[in-house]
Amino acid sequence: AQKVTQAQTEISVVEKEDVTLDCVYETRDTTYYLFWYKQPPSGELVFLIRRNSFDEQNEISGRYSWNFQKSTSSFNFTITASQVVDSAVYFCALSVDRDDKIIFGKGTRLHILP
Amino acid sequence: EAQVTQNPRYLITVTGKKLTVTCSQNMNHEYMSWYRQDPGLGLRQIYYSMNVEVTDKGDVPEGYKVSRKEKRNFPLILESPSPNQTSLYFCASSLTFHGTMGYTFGSGTRLTVV
Repeated sequence: AQKVTQAQTEISVVEKEDVTLDCVYETRDTTYYLFWYKQPPSGELVFLIRRNSFDEQNEISGRYSWNFQKSTSSFNFTITASQVVDSAVYFCALSVDRDDKIIFGKGTRLHILP
Repeated sequence: EAQVTQNPRYLITVTGKKLTVTCSQNMNHEYMSWYRQDPGLGLRQIYYSMNVEVTDKGDVPEGYKVSRKEKRNFPLILESPSPNQTSLYFCASSLTFHGTMGYTFGSGTRLTVV
């Protein structure tokens, strides 16, 4: 069975600090997909990134970066120079190629303090 | 504008009174899904549909029904709502299940059953 663990329930950092959100996944499948979603205080869910299991390259998009390490089954998300607008709940998710379900972690609530 | 539209946004109802939450997408997506979000539990999948007339159970299907008679619509039906179905519900769609652009979510429906 697939599982996604986001051990950090809630994190608070001061604006302009860097912060890393952890995501650890479990699967025995070799073909799988990892996702990050953002849920700002307004409540909508916003897709941030998808990574497949054959692509371990790190991804950078502006202040956001993702570190995918199959050796540790982790797909961590780092925000550099955080801003108040980054305050949100962030979800990591996993799906496998042979299945039609997507499993979400329980989310990490991030507070960026001015 | 490409979007997933859910209605209503807020709903308060009484135990046992049948209700339907509508979901419609205008992106010609094949895959649609319903999730519920509860504090501390993250997002849990209720039902999903790979295409018209094809639906399947997610992790928490009890007490819910769905139908997919048209590609664009995927209503969630609660035949006899109970207080434990009080939750925030999201509909999502994607072009294909493992699509590179992730899922597009609706704005959510906050349901309270008293």
